[in-house]
Amino acid sequence: SQQGEEDPQALSIQEGENATMNCSYKTSINNLQWYRQNSGRGLVHLILIRSNEREKHSGRLRVTLDTSKKSSSLLITASRAADTASYFCATDRSGSEKLVFGKGTKLTVNP
Amino acid sequence: DGGITQSPKYLFRKEGQNVTLSCEQNLNHDAMYWYRQDPGQGLRLIYYSQIVNDFQKGDIAEGYSVSREKKESFPLTVTSAQKNPTAFYLCASSLYAGMSSTGELFFGEGSRLTVL
Repeated sequence: SQQGEEDPQALSIQEGENATMNCSYKTSINNLQWYRQNSGRGLVHLILIRSNEREKHSGRLRVTLDTSKKSSSLLITASRAADTASYFCATDRSGSEKLVFGKGTKLTVNP
Repeated sequence: DGGITQSPKYLFRKEGQNVTLSCEQNLNHDAMYWYRQDPGQGLRLIYYSQIVNDFQKGDIAEGYSVSREKKESFPLTVTSAQKNPTAFYLCASSLYAGMSSTGELFFGEGSRLTVL
Protein backbone atom coordinates (compact mmCIF):
# COMPACT_ATOMS: atom_id res chain seq x y z
CA SER A 1 0.00 0.00 0.00
CA GLN A 2 1.35 3.43 -0.93
CA GLN A 3 1.43 5.93 1.90
CA GLY A 4 3.27 8.82 0.29
CA GLU A 5 2.44 10.37 -3.05
CA GLU A 6 4.93 12.64 -4.73
CA ASP A 7 3.97 15.51 -6.95
CA PRO A 8 4.77 16.20 -9.71
CA GLN A 9 5.52 12.81 -11.28
CA ALA A 10 8.09 14.45 -13.54
CA LEU A 11 9.88 17.80 -13.49
CA SER A 12 12.23 19.30 -16.05
CA ILE A 13 14.23 22.44 -15.27
CA GLN A 14 17.36 24.30 -16.37
CA GLU A 15 20.63 24.23 -14.49
CA GLY A 16 20.72 26.92 -11.82
CA GLU A 17 16.97 26.87 -11.22
CA ASN A 18 15.37 25.60 -8.04
CA ALA A 19 13.42 22.34 -8.00
CA THR A 20 10.52 21.72 -5.63
CA MET A 21 8.93 18.33 -5.08
CA ASN A 22 6.00 17.61 -2.83
CA CYS A 23 4.89 14.58 -0.87
CA SER A 24 1.50 13.95 0.67
CA TYR A 25 0.66 11.12 3.05
CA LYS A 26 -2.39 9.74 4.80
CA THR A 27 -1.71 8.66 8.38
CA SER A 28 0.24 9.90 11.40
CA ILE A 29 3.97 9.45 11.08
CA ASN A 30 7.08 9.25 13.25
CA ASN A 31 9.32 10.64 10.56
CA LEU A 32 9.51 11.33 6.84
CA GLN A 33 12.56 10.65 4.73
CA TRP A 34 13.67 11.68 1.25
CA TYR A 35 15.78 9.46 -0.99
CA ARG A 36 17.41 9.87 -4.36
CA GLN A 37 17.81 7.21 -7.04
CA ASN A 38 19.95 7.49 -10.14
CA SER A 39 18.70 5.40 -13.03
CA GLY A 40 19.30 1.69 -12.47
CA ARG A 41 20.98 2.21 -9.10
CA GLY A 42 20.09 1.81 -5.46
CA LEU A 43 18.50 4.56 -3.38
CA VAL A 44 20.56 7.01 -1.38
CA HIS A 45 19.25 8.65 1.78
CA LEU A 46 19.11 12.44 1.62
CA ILE A 47 17.40 13.69 4.75
CA LEU A 48 15.14 12.62 7.61
CA ILE A 49 12.70 14.98 9.30
CA ARG A 50 10.88 14.00 12.47
CA SER A 51 7.22 14.68 13.09
CA ASN A 52 8.04 17.39 15.64
CA GLU A 53 10.30 19.27 13.21
CA ARG A 54 9.06 21.78 10.65
CA GLU A 55 12.12 22.44 8.52
CA LYS A 56 15.52 20.94 7.93
CA HIS A 57 18.48 21.88 5.75
CA SER A 58 21.34 19.89 4.30
CA GLY A 59 23.60 21.66 1.84
CA ARG A 60 21.43 22.70 -1.13
CA LEU A 61 18.48 20.72 0.20
CA ARG A 62 15.65 22.15 2.24
CA VAL A 63 12.85 19.96 3.55
CA THR A 64 9.67 21.16 5.20
CA LEU A 65 7.04 19.15 6.99
CA ASP A 66 3.46 20.21 7.72
CA THR A 67 1.82 17.51 9.83
CA SER A 68 -1.51 19.35 9.87
CA LYS A 69 -1.68 19.06 6.09
CA LYS A 70 0.14 15.72 6.01
CA SER A 71 2.59 17.01 3.46
CA SER A 72 6.28 17.62 2.93
CA SER A 73 8.33 19.41 0.32
CA LEU A 74 11.89 18.96 -0.89
CA LEU A 75 13.60 22.00 -2.38
CA ILE A 76 16.86 21.67 -4.28
CA THR A 77 18.44 25.07 -4.82
CA ALA A 78 20.76 26.04 -7.67
CA SER A 79 20.24 22.69 -9.39
CA ARG A 80 22.97 20.97 -11.39
CA ALA A 81 22.82 18.43 -14.18
CA ALA A 82 24.14 15.88 -11.68
CA ASP A 83 20.92 16.30 -9.66
CA THR A 84 19.06 14.47 -12.44
CA ALA A 85 17.48 11.48 -10.68
CA SER A 86 14.25 10.21 -9.18
CA TYR A 87 13.35 11.44 -5.72
CA PHE A 88 11.22 9.45 -3.30
CA CYS A 89 9.60 10.28 -0.02
CA ALA A 90 9.18 7.54 2.55
CA THR A 91 7.04 7.63 5.64
CA ASP A 92 7.44 5.81 8.90
CA ARG A 93 3.92 5.39 10.20
CA SER A 94 3.28 5.61 13.92
CA GLY A 95 3.37 2.13 15.45
CA SER A 96 4.95 0.56 12.38
CA GLU A 97 8.44 -0.85 11.84
CA LYS A 98 8.33 -0.30 8.10
CA LEU A 99 9.06 2.54 5.71
CA VAL A 100 6.51 3.04 2.95
CA PHE A 101 7.69 4.71 -0.24
CA GLY A 102 5.87 6.87 -2.73
CA LYS A 103 6.13 6.48 -6.50
CA GLY A 104 8.71 9.22 -6.87
CA THR A 105 9.34 12.40 -8.84
CA LYS A 106 11.62 12.12 -11.84
CA LEU A 107 13.76 15.26 -12.01
CA THR A 108 15.65 16.23 -15.14
CA VAL A 109 18.08 19.13 -14.94
CA ASN A 110 19.10 20.35 -18.38
CA PRO A 111 22.59 21.83 -18.80
CA ASP B 1 34.41 0.03 2.98
CA GLY B 2 31.14 -0.67 4.73
CA GLY B 3 28.04 -1.24 2.69
CA ILE B 4 25.51 -3.59 1.21
CA THR B 5 26.36 -5.96 -1.60
CA GLN B 6 23.72 -7.48 -3.82
CA SER B 7 24.39 -10.20 -6.34
CA PRO B 8 23.95 -10.94 -9.11
CA LYS B 9 23.32 -7.54 -10.71
CA TYR B 10 21.46 -9.14 -13.62
CA LEU B 11 19.71 -12.49 -13.62
CA PHE B 12 17.67 -14.31 -16.23
CA ARG B 13 15.32 -17.09 -15.29
CA LYS B 14 13.12 -19.47 -17.16
CA GLU B 15 9.54 -19.81 -16.05
CA GLY B 16 9.11 -22.44 -13.35
CA GLN B 17 12.57 -21.96 -11.86
CA ASN B 18 13.38 -20.69 -8.40
CA VAL B 19 16.16 -18.12 -8.10
CA THR B 20 17.94 -16.73 -5.06
CA LEU B 21 19.18 -13.17 -4.78
CA SER B 22 22.01 -12.52 -2.37
CA CYS B 23 22.25 -9.58 0.04
CA GLU B 24 25.20 -9.12 2.40
CA GLN B 25 25.93 -6.17 4.68
CA ASN B 26 28.98 -5.34 6.80
CA LEU B 27 27.43 -2.36 8.56
CA ASN B 28 26.49 -4.37 11.66
CA HIS B 29 22.88 -3.36 11.12
CA ASP B 30 20.10 -5.19 12.91
CA ALA B 31 17.33 -4.76 10.36
CA MET B 32 17.29 -5.82 6.72
CA TYR B 33 14.65 -5.37 4.04
CA TRP B 34 13.76 -6.52 0.55
CA TYR B 35 11.88 -4.21 -1.79
CA ARG B 36 10.58 -4.73 -5.29
CA GLN B 37 10.55 -1.86 -7.79
CA ASP B 38 8.49 -1.84 -10.97
CA PRO B 39 8.43 1.04 -13.45
CA GLY B 40 6.21 3.82 -12.16
CA GLN B 41 5.28 1.86 -9.02
CA GLY B 42 7.80 3.02 -6.48
CA LEU B 43 9.13 0.52 -3.94
CA ARG B 44 7.02 -2.20 -2.38
CA LEU B 45 8.12 -4.15 0.68
CA ILE B 46 8.47 -7.91 0.27
CA TYR B 47 9.98 -9.10 3.56
CA TYR B 48 11.89 -7.59 6.44
CA SER B 49 13.89 -8.88 9.38
CA GLN B 50 14.78 -7.08 12.58
CA ILE B 51 16.82 -9.82 14.19
CA VAL B 52 18.57 -13.05 13.30
CA ASN B 53 16.26 -16.05 12.82
CA ASP B 54 13.18 -13.84 12.60
CA PHE B 55 11.45 -12.14 9.68
CA GLN B 56 8.04 -10.71 8.77
CA LYS B 57 6.03 -10.49 5.60
CA GLY B 58 5.73 -7.16 3.89
CA ASP B 59 3.00 -6.01 1.55
CA ILE B 60 3.75 -8.38 -1.35
CA ALA B 61 5.30 -11.52 0.19
CA GLU B 62 3.40 -14.09 -1.90
CA GLY B 63 5.72 -16.11 -4.11
CA TYR B 64 8.85 -15.09 -2.19
CA SER B 65 10.80 -16.60 0.71
CA VAL B 66 13.68 -15.39 2.87
CA SER B 67 15.99 -16.57 5.63
CA ARG B 68 18.06 -14.72 8.25
CA GLU B 69 20.54 -17.24 9.62
CA LYS B 70 23.29 -14.64 10.01
CA LYS B 71 23.14 -10.96 10.90
CA GLU B 72 25.07 -10.07 7.75
CA SER B 73 22.98 -12.00 5.26
CA PHE B 74 19.36 -11.85 4.08
CA PRO B 75 18.87 -13.86 0.85
CA LEU B 76 15.63 -13.65 -1.11
CA THR B 77 14.27 -16.59 -3.10
CA VAL B 78 11.86 -15.84 -5.91
CA THR B 79 9.85 -19.00 -6.31
CA SER B 80 7.97 -20.34 -9.29
CA ALA B 81 4.78 -19.33 -7.48
CA GLN B 82 5.54 -15.65 -8.09
CA LYS B 83 3.40 -14.90 -11.11
CA ASN B 84 5.19 -11.81 -12.38
CA PRO B 85 8.76 -11.86 -11.06
CA THR B 86 10.40 -9.62 -13.64
CA ALA B 87 11.44 -6.55 -11.62
CA PHE B 88 14.27 -4.66 -9.97
CA TYR B 89 14.95 -5.97 -6.45
CA LEU B 90 16.51 -3.79 -3.78
CA CYS B 91 17.94 -4.89 -0.45
CA ALA B 92 18.37 -2.42 2.40
CA SER B 93 19.47 -2.36 6.00
CA SER B 94 19.07 -0.03 8.94
CA LEU B 95 20.79 0.36 12.28
CA TYR B 96 17.77 1.02 14.40
CA ALA B 97 15.20 -1.75 14.63
CA GLY B 98 12.91 -0.21 17.20
CA MET B 99 9.30 -1.14 17.45
CA SER B 100 7.94 2.30 16.72
CA SER B 101 10.34 3.99 14.35
CA THR B 102 12.54 3.27 11.37
CA GLY B 103 15.78 5.13 10.79
CA GLU B 104 17.76 5.75 7.64
CA LEU B 105 17.91 2.87 5.16
CA PHE B 106 21.11 1.96 3.35
CA PHE B 107 20.47 0.33 -0.03
CA GLY B 108 22.39 -2.03 -2.22
CA GLU B 109 22.77 -1.44 -5.97
CA GLY B 110 19.93 -3.79 -6.85
CA SER B 111 19.41 -6.99 -8.80
CA ARG B 112 17.45 -6.96 -12.03
CA LEU B 113 15.57 -10.20 -12.62
CA THR B 114 14.13 -11.03 -16.02
CA VAL B 115 11.95 -14.05 -16.63
CA LEU B 116 12.24 -15.39 -20.16
